Amino acid sequence: DQQVKQNSPSLSVQEGRISILNCDYTNSMFDYFLWYKKYPAEGPTFLISISSIKDKNEDGRFTVFLNKSAKHLSLHIVPSQPGDSAVYFCAAGGYSGNTPLVFGKGTRLSVIA
Amino acid sequence: EAQVTQNPRYLITVTGKKLTVTCSQNMNHEYMSWYRQDPGLGLRQIYYSMNVEVTDKGDVPEGYKVSRKEKRNFPLILESPSPNQTSLYFCASSLRTGRAEAFFGQGTRLTVV
Repeated sequence: DQQVKQNSPSLSVQEGRISILNCDYTNSMFDYFLWYKKYPAEGPTFLISISSIKDKNEDGRFTVFLNKSAKHLSLHIVPSQPGDSAVYFCAAGGYSGNTPLVFGKGTRLSVIA
Repeated sequence: EAQVTQNPRYLITVTGKKLTVTCSQNMNHEYMSWYRQDPGLGLRQIYYSMNVEVTDKGDVPEGYKVSRKEKRNFPLILESPSPNQTSLYFCASSLRTGRAEAFFGQGTRLTVV
């Protein structure tokens, strides 16, 4: 059973527009969420995180929103740039010191110039 | 520079020939883990280690072994590789488990023929 779901395998957005990547989770005990970005032939790199005590966290062009009641988080990229084209993984963790991060399957974002 | 180093980056081997993929981190992280990435399946955890001499199974441990004899190293061992272990493998390390950013290695592309 997938605990972290990214239901859109791919997304195409025009340069300059907003990219919205979505992630749903099923385990209400998760209290820490992260987004990773992955380019081909490279390992995933950390992008942004959010704790469950917040509902929004911003870092430059990247904003993560958390809706705990809906068990949903989203990553907004504004404005989108061609260099943002990558696979984005959502991950969830927390609630226990022994619980490793659980990753979604990823969403491939293509930003078209 | 903080990094996780995996070797080799690419490996082609034959069924049944034992192999080891090495992983080393220079951040003094306690927590290390191995993932495999397959198309449509995202990142799945193979094994993880909370500290030296402490290892545990992840979601897909069958056919793999690990050891953690020292803090910085966490090798992945395939005693008798099979074609279904053809995949892209990532090692990761973090300060803690579920509430900390994980740093990933560059990946090892393994092909078993």
